[in-house]
Amino acid sequence: KAGVTQTPRYLIKTRGQQVTLSCSPISGHRSVSWYQQTPGQGLQFLFEYFSETQRNKGNFPGRFSGRQFSNSRSEMNVSTLELGDSALYLCASSLLVGELFFGEGSRLTVL
Amino acid sequence: AQTVTQSQPEMSVQEAETVTLSCTYDTSENNYYLFWYKQPPSRQMILVIRQEAYKQQNATENRFSVNFQKAAKSFSLKISDSQLGDTAMYFCAFMAMNRDDKIIFGKGTRLHILP
Repeated sequence: KAGVTQTPRYLIKTRGQQVTLSCSPISGHRSVSWYQQTPGQGLQFLFEYFSETQRNKGNFPGRFSGRQFSNSRSEMNVSTLELGDSALYLCASSLLVGELFFGEGSRLTVL
Repeated sequence: AQTVTQSQPEMSVQEAETVTLSCTYDTSENNYYLFWYKQPPSRQMILVIRQEAYKQQNATENRFSVNFQKAAKSFSLKISDSQLGDTAMYFCAFMAMNRDDKIIFGKGTRLHILP
């Protein structure tokens, strides 16, 4: 069974640009959540989608958005990038409560 | 709001030793889940162990076990007979069993198993 796939794995952007990250969950998993991981803040919850609906949202500015498609694949977008957005963005899918299956992450560097 | 605190940013132990990672949390909820997740260097994060708050018995998974003290709001992870492959970042996490069921993670403990 294929795991959670995130693309791209690495990317470099400049301030003011926007970025879109993609996540393909494990087949059959309808819940997809996104996290931002930084050395100083640890893992911070961005949002969660279930059956194309945003079910939860973390405390991030409106520049961070996401969506989920009918095949459960999810994308997150960050507009007007800032230096502080440099981070590892992790996607996780789940079938059972709390049992998250994580992807390898997308490492974003903002210059 | 719920919070999860891991007071040990980094730890090192010798291979084959036993190590305990600390985690405390704050919540007004009575029903919730607690988890330990492991993130090996440059690899995917995986679930190590899970505990339901209503269960008094501590969860175990092979060499991994927890000490769940509900009244003290403490949830420590014990790794017995530690192995080099246990080297990783370990995250304690909390999730309330209510409609707002997002998972909240601690900042992690970086564990080094030394040969």
